[in-house]
Amino acid sequence: DTAVSQTPKYLVTQMGNDKSIKCEQNLGHDTMYWYKQDSKKFLKIMFSYNNKELIINETVPNRFSPKSPDKAHLNLHINSLELGDSAVYFCASTPMATLTDTQYFGPGTRLTVL
Amino acid sequence: AQTVTQSQPEMSVQEAETVTLSCTYDTSESDYYLFWYKQPPSRQMILVIRQEAYKQQNATENRFSVNFQKAAKSFSLKISDSQLGDAAMYFCAYRSAHRGATNKLIFGTGTLLAVQP
Repeated sequence: DTAVSQTPKYLVTQMGNDKSIKCEQNLGHDTMYWYKQDSKKFLKIMFSYNNKELIINETVPNRFSPKSPDKAHLNLHINSLELGDSAVYFCASTPMATLTDTQYFGPGTRLTVL
Repeated sequence: AQTVTQSQPEMSVQEAETVTLSCTYDTSESDYYLFWYKQPPSRQMILVIRQEAYKQQNATENRFSVNFQKAAKSFSLKISDSQLGDAAMYFCAYRSAHRGATNKLIFGTGTLLAVQP
């Protein structure tokens, strides 16, 4: 059984389009994250939600809007896509917003903006 | 702000040999967690090992062990009896344990490990 899943795994789109990436975890975790991995493989936190409440927003352009319909899902919507948005986006989850638990990552979504 | 530095962009090791990947970090906090994640070509991020800063004993997981030097702010990963499947990008990561801190991971830039048969 997949613990943290993301759809799609690959996304190719044109500049200016709006796209969404979905994340689901079946681990019963309370806290979910989005990380961005750029072309140099550098990973950086974007957002975190705990029980559907936003707790981290790391100076991400407001073209990026996370949405958590329930604690098992954290989707990422991106408006007006730019070339610089091309990256791999990872979803992750952890049991709760404590400081002791390991984060489990999804398989990543490779976004290519042409 | 905390930072994590991996000074070795690439490393190579012969199969069955031992290799050590370096990681240093900067923080003013006394309580935190450190992690090594592995990212093979499949892109999946896999936890290799974790260390709690309050523990003096170095963490070990089978062929993987760490050398945690808190005073030096160093957290190296040793891979013994290297296998072809160990070839991957390895990321060192830091997470605060400070009350009120968020649970975000701060990553280093990664070390690409090649394993030669």
